[in-house]
Amino acid sequence: ELKVEQNPLFLSMQEGKNYTIYCNYSTTSDRLYWYRQDPGKSLESLFVLLSNGAVKQEGRLMASLDTKARLSTLHITAAVHDLSATYFCAVSGAGGTSYGKLTFGQGTILTVHP
Amino acid sequence: NAGVMQNPRHLVRRRGQEARLRCSPMKGHSHVYWYRQLPEEGLKFMVYLQKENIIDESGMPKERFSAEFPKEGPSILRIQQVVRGDSAAYFCASSPTLGGGEAFFGQGTRLTVV
Repeated sequence: ELKVEQNPLFLSMQEGKNYTIYCNYSTTSDRLYWYRQDPGKSLESLFVLLSNGAVKQEGRLMASLDTKARLSTLHITAAVHDLSATYFCAVSGAGGTSYGKLTFGQGTILTVHP
Repeated sequence: NAGVMQNPRHLVRRRGQEARLRCSPMKGHSHVYWYRQLPEEGLKFMVYLQKENIIDESGMPKERFSAEFPKEGPSILRIQQVVRGDSAAYFCASSPTLGGGEAFFGQGTRLTVV
């Protein structure tokens, strides 16, 4: 059974600081996703990582994937208040009908303080 | 191209009633996934459907829950005889082909059982 674990689960940051959220998963997978969710809202897709060593950046967020270590990171640079949200990583199954079925981490609640 | 449409956005049901949640996938998408998000938790996979077929229902509770995706019309998640523990946000996602594209999420239906 595929398990996905994120840490930390709660992250309180000061504006301007850097931090990293970690996502570990238990079995081989073909792709990893990062999503953002604001309270009461749906999931906004941030990144899709498809291969070992993949790195993607958008604004103050950068995601990377190490398939050998089964680890993805979401790095936040110079945090601003607008980044406050819950961040989820999700992993799809490896091939066949498991492809579209995502297993989500518990989520990391990020709060950025002035 | 409209996104994944879910309705209603909010649904209140008394214990014992039936809840019907609808999901219209994005145009051109033939794969639909339902997820449930309990308060303060990540999303949990429930069921994966293609038109007229249930592909994977490994996450569906054994009783009271059913899903369909008819040839015409939206996908329906049906919960019979709702209980308080069914209160959650239910999200639908769609993708164009098996493993061929990212799944996009709808806005969700927030079910409250009173």
